[in-house]
Amino acid sequence: DQQVKQNSPSLSVQEGRISILNCDYTNSMFDYFLWYKKYPAEGPTFLISISSIKDKNEDGRFTVFLNKSAKHLSLHIVPSQPGDSAVYFCAAKSDYKLSFGAGTTVTVRA
Amino acid sequence: NAGVTQTPKFRILKIGQSMTLQCTQDMNHNYMYWYRQDPGMGLKLIYYSVGAGITDKGEVPNGYNVSRSTTEDFPLRLELAAPSQTSVYFCASRPTANTGELFFGEGSRLTVL
Repeated sequence: DQQVKQNSPSLSVQEGRISILNCDYTNSMFDYFLWYKKYPAEGPTFLISISSIKDKNEDGRFTVFLNKSAKHLSLHIVPSQPGDSAVYFCAAKSDYKLSFGAGTTVTVRA
Repeated sequence: NAGVTQTPKFRILKIGQSMTLQCTQDMNHNYMYWYRQDPGMGLKLIYYSVGAGITDKGEVPNGYNVSRSTTEDFPLRLELAAPSQTSVYFCASRPTANTGELFFGEGSRLTVL
């Protein structure tokens, strides 16, 4: 039973434009939601998080939006840069554990 | 800063062999985790630990064992390796009170033939 879902396996975007990544979840007990970025042959690295009591968190080019009623969150990257090409994982925390989505591969075209 | 260190980075096993994936962290984190990543499947939690001497099962614990004798080390033991255990394994850690931000190692790629 997958509690965190990323339904888009890939996304291609032109450099300078906005990238929007989506994530849905089923467990109402999640208290934090996070996005991780992963390059090939490396471990995932933390990107940005949001508390379940907030609806928006911004950090530079990255903004995460949370819609609790829809059990949906999204990550906006503006403007997209070539170094943003990576796999992005959505994750959600409940107690000690984090559940991860399947990931979305972002390719930024020049 | 070393952070989370995993060894080995690559390993090929024959069916039925056993091995231990090592994980060490130098950040004095209480919480440690083992995940496996299969293509298109995201990260699945195998085992986790909230402190020395305390471990618990995650989503996919079958075929694995762990121990946590010190804060720094969290080895993952594979007994009787099977082709289904071919995967990339990630160890991670985090402090007790945080938003869930995990610090990951670089991963260990295991192939069982």
